Amino acid sequence: DGGITQSPKYLFRKEGQNVTLSCEQNLNHDAMYWYRQDPGQGLRLIYYSQIVNDFQKGDIAEGYSVSREKKESFPLTVTSAQKNPTAFYLCASSIVPSTLANEQFFGPGTRLTVL
Amino acid sequence: SQQGEEDPQALSIQEGENATMNCSYKTSINNLQWYRQNSGRGLVHLILIRSNEREKHSGRLRVTLDTSKKSSSLLITASRAADTASYFCATRRTSGTYKYIFGTGTRLKVLA
Repeated sequence: DGGITQSPKYLFRKEGQNVTLSCEQNLNHDAMYWYRQDPGQGLRLIYYSQIVNDFQKGDIAEGYSVSREKKESFPLTVTSAQKNPTAFYLCASSIVPSTLANEQFFGPGTRLTVL
Repeated sequence: SQQGEEDPQALSIQEGENATMNCSYKTSINNLQWYRQNSGRGLVHLILIRSNEREKHSGRLRVTLDTSKKSSSLLITASRAADTASYFCATRRTSGTYKYIFGTGTRLKVLA
């Protein structure tokens, strides 16, 4: 899982609650990403950030929010506006590519369940 | 929306056999990458092939890329039970975005 940590590993949320998933990296990467994975499905991009204090919506940003106050940290908040939040959430980071291609390093994931 | 689509969705083979997975995509790309995911875990990068490359090897892995057909294949030779996992392709577009688009994955099961 490289130098990326996610916490908690399992999270349970009651309907109507906001919850925040933590993602920290010590790889000195500028870019960070949040993905959602549903059973048997691929990854869908929620938000990404290329630099501190800047982030962009991905394909399924509704009901989610992020912040990028530090290079090392990219927390994801799942708000009560997200109607079907039960899923596996993956955080990733990468260097910001110039002309070189680069890989993404993934954390171990957080499994969120709505009770 | 997902750009990459892998096929087959699921593959079951005997240990020692070769496994081939395919990925198709829709737009021009900068590079294509293959990742592996063990059940309930994060993804691990396997191999990257640039748009100007046609074939690449890494250990028991062989990746090909056909940009005219917008497709790639991943071959795992002499498979082992430990290769059992889901395999995803991911593409990065040429437009300068740092977004990666992941496919839906191939679930590989290697029987001992």
